[in-house]
Amino acid sequence: DTEVTQTPKHLVMGMTNKKSLKCEQHMGHRAMYWYKQKAKKPPELMFVYSYEKLSINESVPSRFSPECPNSSLLNLHLHALQPEDSALYLCASSQDPGRGRETQYFGPGTRLLVL
Amino acid sequence: AQSVTQLDSHVSVSEGTPVLLRCNYSSSYSPSLFWYVQHPNKGLQLLLKYTSAATLVKGINGFEAEFKKSETSFHLTKPSAHMSDAAEYFCVVSGLIQGAQKLVFGQGTRLTINP
Repeated sequence: DTEVTQTPKHLVMGMTNKKSLKCEQHMGHRAMYWYKQKAKKPPELMFVYSYEKLSINESVPSRFSPECPNSSLLNLHLHALQPEDSALYLCASSQDPGRGRETQYFGPGTRLLVL
Repeated sequence: AQSVTQLDSHVSVSEGTPVLLRCNYSSSYSPSLFWYVQHPNKGLQLLLKYTSAATLVKGINGFEAEFKKSETSFHLTKPSAHMSDAAEYFCVVSGLIQGAQKLVFGQGTRLTINP
């Protein structure tokens, strides 16, 4: 099973709200990723977790706060977002963080709209 | 540094005719290359992957790609297009940066299938 699940599917939030996106995989993968994808653009990497530790932060604003509570779960906490943060947020996982040739498996994404 | 160029932003073919989506890459070492497909409002699905084994790679749904080192190309083909193939296609090169895997995406090719 190569499934990555994400909840919620859709999220509408105001600029003062606090919300969280959730990602889960049960493939035993030890690397997990958050991407942001704007319409008609490729995904942009936000964060990488390797063995539950944050290994890459691509200069993402602090209003996005990732968390990896265990090897199967990845959260993205959102606070004081701006309308330009509206996008599709994709989670992915891969088996071995230390190799550059691994397949990343993507979830279906959370479509976020910030009003 | 690694990079990917998808030579066509939009390809339109008739149902039952061949599909060719072109991708050129740049990499300072032997690359891992992927093709992903994204249907509207969905996540990314892996079509196929090249990691220095056979140069002709077969993927899902009848797609295949040929790695040509001399031409630095990894074009995606399918002998006969189906209406369900209409989607966005991303060519991706993978590398290990700061101890973590990073994917470099092309800008995408939108494939339209005419009845």
